Amino acid sequence: NAGVTQTPKFQVLKTGQSMTLQCAQDMNHNSMYWYRQDPGMGLRLIYYSASEGTTDKGEVPNGYNVSRLNKREFSLRLESAAPSQTSVYFCASSGTGVGGYTFGSGTRLTVV
Amino acid sequence: KNEVEQSPQNLTAQEGEFITINCSYSVGISALHWLQQHPGGGIVSLFMLSSGKKKHGRLIATINIQEKHSSLHITASHPRDSAVYICAVMYSGGGADGLTFGKGTHLIIQP
Repeated sequence: NAGVTQTPKFQVLKTGQSMTLQCAQDMNHNSMYWYRQDPGMGLRLIYYSASEGTTDKGEVPNGYNVSRLNKREFSLRLESAAPSQTSVYFCASSGTGVGGYTFGSGTRLTVV
Repeated sequence: KNEVEQSPQNLTAQEGEFITINCSYSVGISALHWLQQHPGGGIVSLFMLSSGKKKHGRLIATINIQEKHSSLHITASHPRDSAVYICAVMYSGGGADGLTFGKGTHLIIQP
């Protein structure tokens, strides 16, 4: 089925550990995004990639890095996890211009 | 900071009731999205609007560009409609740099 595939679904990290969240879309979308969702707050943009080979910071980029590996894949890396990064992370993609959005199923990350 | 405000934050209603959720925003937009999120679940796009009105089954979404306001209506509500409904906007000229989200409306439909 066409869509956005995000892995893993759940992860527990110890403070200071690193990990990479993977995201792939098969809709030939140009733009891809990483958001985090915290209780009582709207989703907030961490990083985005408007096209293959480009990435830009969003509202809350500190502590994260991203890679747009190719048109399909956009990964999010936590180099040294902190408890403040405990959150649910969503990857999303959209087409050119005013296109629809498709979200991944989310990654629930806990940093202890 | 451009804001997206939703109301109400929480809504509990009886099965069969007509539901309205409101969303207002502060500056010009290219498009507005209504999204649905079930507890512990992913996010599903219900509608994308840039003008007028859209209908899908029991769901209706409207937008008034001049008043910077949108509403999501659910007719003949059912317990399976219980979810968080999120309004999100794409600001004009900012199409590729993501959406700005409201905090969501938590809807519970009681049998």
